[in-house]
Amino acid sequence: AQTVTQSQPEMSVQEAETVTLSCTYDTSENNYYLFWYKQPPSRQMILVIRQEAYKQQNATENRFSVNFQKAAKSFSLKISDSQLGDTAMYFCAFNTGANSKLTFGKGITLSVRP
Amino acid sequence: SQTIHQWPATLVQPVGSPLSLECTVEGTSNPNLYWYRQAAGRGLQLLFYSVGIGQISSEVPQNLSASRPQDRQFILSSKKLLLSDSGFYLCAWSPAAGGQWEQFFGPGTRLTVL
Repeated sequence: AQTVTQSQPEMSVQEAETVTLSCTYDTSENNYYLFWYKQPPSRQMILVIRQEAYKQQNATENRFSVNFQKAAKSFSLKISDSQLGDTAMYFCAFNTGANSKLTFGKGITLSVRP
Repeated sequence: SQTIHQWPATLVQPVGSPLSLECTVEGTSNPNLYWYRQAAGRGLQLLFYSVGIGQISSEVPQNLSASRPQDRQFILSSKKLLLSDSGFYLCAWSPAAGGQWEQFFGPGTRLTVL
């Protein structure tokens, strides 16, 4: 079975500081994509960053970067220079094919304190 | 560019009444389409997905049904709503071929069954 585990239900960070959100997953597939989605209070799901499993280089998107450890099946999200607008629920997810289903974790609620 | 619309944005319905939620995608052809439900503060539950007109796969046995009458239209229905149908319903699409396997989400519909 394919699973995603986000073991921290909530985290808090001071504005301008750095925070890391953890995610582990389990799959027997060799090629897959990993994603982090953000869901702010408006509840619109927004794609933050993606990582293809066969690429060793960690993906980065402005203040967002990942630490992808394929052997450990770990995919953490680092948010640098945290901003108040980063307050949201964050979901880790992965997909094993174009016509396959996204498997989501349960999410983590991140609060950025002013 | 591609956009995804959902309506209505908010809905309050009595128990036992029918339901119809609509999702449409613009700017792409033959997308994969998905319906998710999210209970308050919880993760996403995949309800239905479709890889083409008239092709619907159900993930969870329940009081709901889905239809895809046109290529870019996906409808979620119920003949008689239950209290447990309350939640936030998200529609998503992904490219059937190419792309990087991510899903793009609509703004969602907040359904309250009283």
